[in-house]
Amino acid sequence: KAGVTQTPRYLIKTRGQQVTLSCSPISGHRSVSWYQQTPGQGLQFLFEYFSETQRNKGNFPGRFSGRQFSNSRSEMNVSTLELGDSALYLCASSLLAGVGYNEQFFGPGTRLTVL
Amino acid sequence: AQSVSQHNHHVILSEAASLELGCNYSYGGTVNLFWYVQYPGQHLQLLLKYFSGDPLVKGIKGFEAEFIKSKFSFNLRKPSVQWSDTAEYFCAVISNTNAGKSTFGDGTTLTVKP
Repeated sequence: KAGVTQTPRYLIKTRGQQVTLSCSPISGHRSVSWYQQTPGQGLQFLFEYFSETQRNKGNFPGRFSGRQFSNSRSEMNVSTLELGDSALYLCASSLLAGVGYNEQFFGPGTRLTVL
Repeated sequence: AQSVSQHNHHVILSEAASLELGCNYSYGGTVNLFWYVQYPGQHLQLLLKYFSGDPLVKGIKGFEAEFIKSKFSFNLRKPSVQWSDTAEYFCAVISNTNAGKSTFGDGTTLTVKP
């Protein structure tokens, strides 16, 4: 079974631009979560989608948004990029079939550099 | 709100030394607990997990962790570390009422000297 895939793996943007990151979950997984990883802040939860609906949201500004498609694939968008948005963005998927099935499987991440 | 605290930011050990990394969480309900490892330049990998049952769980690469409910702790242990264990280790919590959200500790960087 293929793991969580994220594209692109690396991205360089300049301040003010916007960016879209993509995540394909493990087949059958309906929950997709996004995290930002930086040296200073560690792993911070951005949001979670389940069946195309955002169920959880972290403490990030509205410039960070996402969506999930009917096939469970998810995209994350960051508008008006700032230098501080440089980070590794991780996607994780879960089966969520009940208690004991909420383990998250992480993708390799997209390394975003904002210049 | 749930939170996770990892006591050590950076641990330096010699090969064959024993390892224990502390993890405490704050949440009143039922939680699932995880330890992840991130080797330099690689993505997060699951070391072990606890859902229910035996509070002593064994994971990959000789790691184990003990869930002590009364202390809200889930410490990671390994009897004898190797140079290849050099990595960053993260403790994480998922609550059953918030299943799509992992709360991570700040991570512990382990350096093993050969």
